[in-house]
Amino acid sequence: DIVMTQTPLSLSVTPGQPASISCKSSQSLLHSDGKTSLCWYLQKPGQSPQLLIYDVSSRFSGVPDRFSGSGSGTDFTLKISRVEAEDVGVYYCMQAIQLPHTFGQGTRLEIK
Amino acid sequence: QVQVVQSGAEVKKPGSSVKVSCKASGDAFHSSTINWVRQAPGQGLEWMGGLIPIFNSPNYAQKFQGRVTITADESTTTAYMELSSLRSDDTAVYYCARDDLAAQGLMAYWGQGTLVTVSS
Repeated sequence: DIVMTQTPLSLSVTPGQPASISCKSSQSLLHSDGKTSLCWYLQKPGQSPQLLIYDVSSRFSGVPDRFSGSGSGTDFTLKISRVEAEDVGVYYCMQAIQLPHTFGQGTRLEIK
Repeated sequence: QVQVVQSGAEVKKPGSSVKVSCKASGDAFHSSTINWVRQAPGQGLEWMGGLIPIFNSPNYAQKFQGRVTITADESTTTAYMELSSLRSDDTAVYYCARDDLAAQGLMAYWGQGTLVTVSS
């Protein structure tokens, strides 16, 4: 199985400041069709996860443009340009190039 | 707007089975991907398996092979996940999620989750 490793596991950010989460995979997520199957989810407290980013950098419908994804191969990053109070929760990266889909351990974002 | 609605919480005895339902609205249920993910208390997300109803050929995580069965009823646009030989460490919230045309194969729309408690 592909192992997904996130850093940091927690971060505390002042509203209006940027935040960045790293995700590394144990093997390349580049598919033969040229797509890279890496997505990001946010699980807000007491809620189901929600899809933020798919295919490394495509924002899902309704996701604010302060969220952006980047990376290639085995190294990926989720950036929040200006953190807002509603961004609190646990962020997960997930690979979808190979079954079983596997998630990172999660990164807990709190507001200072 | 796609909606995914799951069945209610369950309490089960060790060794028994549980079957969770997941009704998904939206277009093209038959060709959508339905995935099941679980989350133990205070833990992360774990993919269990998935199915495209029209192909009716589910994929399962090795960890759950032999204990999990994922099915779908196209006539009611409802998917099911049955887990057998329940143990206390199967206590978790079980989520189903369907994909989106833009995010094919991924968990784009999630149900509210079903808490399954395994306790004697």
